[in-house]
Amino acid sequence: AQSVTQLGSHVSVSEGALVLLRCNYSSSVPPYLFWYVQYPNQGLQLLLKYTTGATLVKGINGFEAEFKKSETSFHLTKPSAHMSDAAEYFCAVSIATNDYKLSFGAGTTVTVRA
Amino acid sequence: GAVVSQHPSWVICKSGTSVKIECRSLDFQATTMFWYRQFPKQSLMLMATSNEGSKATYEQGVEKDKFLINHASLTLSTLTVTSAHPEDSSFYICSARARGNSGNTIYFGEGSWLTVV
Repeated sequence: AQSVTQLGSHVSVSEGALVLLRCNYSSSVPPYLFWYVQYPNQGLQLLLKYTTGATLVKGINGFEAEFKKSETSFHLTKPSAHMSDAAEYFCAVSIATNDYKLSFGAGTTVTVRA
Repeated sequence: GAVVSQHPSWVICKSGTSVKIECRSLDFQATTMFWYRQFPKQSLMLMATSNEGSKATYEQGVEKDKFLINHASLTLSTLTVTSAHPEDSSFYICSARARGNSGNTIYFGEGSWLTVV
């Protein structure tokens, strides 16, 4: 089985400051890792994903994440927060041997202060 | 990019009635679709996996007789909440994996809000 843990249910940052959202995973086989963003009353939008290859993954809206196998982590960062980044962020993991079903973390709410 | 559409986006139904939510892949064929449920301020919980032409596989604790899932074609899966009750009120989201896709790219619908009164 696979799972993810998101550390911190709520993160508040100032506009222009670094955004750091933490995600640790557990998997018995090589994982696929994802970050999704959800705006109020909407579905999920894929920010970025790690499958194989380069461990530093760049996504949309200036976000990036680094896969660190030794730390079983896939933290999401953005150098400079924008007001539009205020949303709910979900880390997710899937594995081939479980039909690629996504297992989601509990989510982190990001608020951006002007 | 690939688009998954859900309909309706919002639905209100009376307690005891049934309601159907559709999930369509608009520009690709989806061999597998997933149905999730999300309560306010919570994460997504996988309800079932739907494969075209076969019975859905339900996650532990999900009542298959209450949440009927049909995946009759490669572009359409439906979720029917039967004899709905207020505790079934939730945000339901589907996702789809494209035919031939390696499996690590899944597209999500916009979600459907169900309110049972």
